[in-house]
Amino acid sequence: NAGVTQTPKFQVLKTGQSMTLQCAQDMNHEYMSWYRQDPGMGLRLIHYSVGAGITDQGEVPNGYNVSRSTTEDFPLRLLSAAPSQTSVYFCASSPTVWERGYTFGSGTRLTVV
Amino acid sequence: AQTVTQSQPEMSVQEAETVTLSCTYDTSESDYYLFWYKQPPSRQMILVIRQEAYKQQNATENRFSVNFQKAAKSFSLKISDSQLGDAAMYFCAYSRIQGAQKLVFGQGTRLTINP
Repeated sequence: NAGVTQTPKFQVLKTGQSMTLQCAQDMNHEYMSWYRQDPGMGLRLIHYSVGAGITDQGEVPNGYNVSRSTTEDFPLRLLSAAPSQTSVYFCASSPTVWERGYTFGSGTRLTVV
Repeated sequence: AQTVTQSQPEMSVQEAETVTLSCTYDTSESDYYLFWYKQPPSRQMILVIRQEAYKQQNATENRFSVNFQKAAKSFSLKISDSQLGDAAMYFCAYSRIQGAQKLVFGQGTRLTINP
């Protein structure tokens, strides 16, 4: 099925560990982004990309790294996990016809202990 | 910077009744998009409805409609004939038209449907 695929769905990390959240889309969308969802705060933008090889920071980029080597993939790297990064992470993609809005993945629940 | 505010953390409605969720936003842009997203317990984010700021007519999608008041910077969502499947978190979101397409979300409103 066409859409945005995120892996893993759940993850527990120890403080200081690193990991990569995977995101892939098969809709040939140019725009991709990562959001984190925290209770009472809605979703906040971490990093985004407007095409392969082009990334930029969002509202809360500290502690995260991204790259976009292909149109399909947009992984999010946690460099040294901290308890403050406990959250639900969403990847989303959109065609350049922005009025169609973003398509979201099913999310990754990350707990840092 | 743009901000989006949902002042109702929780709402409840009787099945088959109508409910309105509130959203206000702040921007200096004249053209932009507004969205309502639904997040059921499955956690999936589902686009419910969108509104282009330059369009005067309020958007509608079946039982969902919006009341867009551009001067007041208000964008409320009306759900008619509420169904049990409408129970979810609802997020209001804003996006500029020009430049990178980033969404700014409100805090969310949890909607409960009482049978």
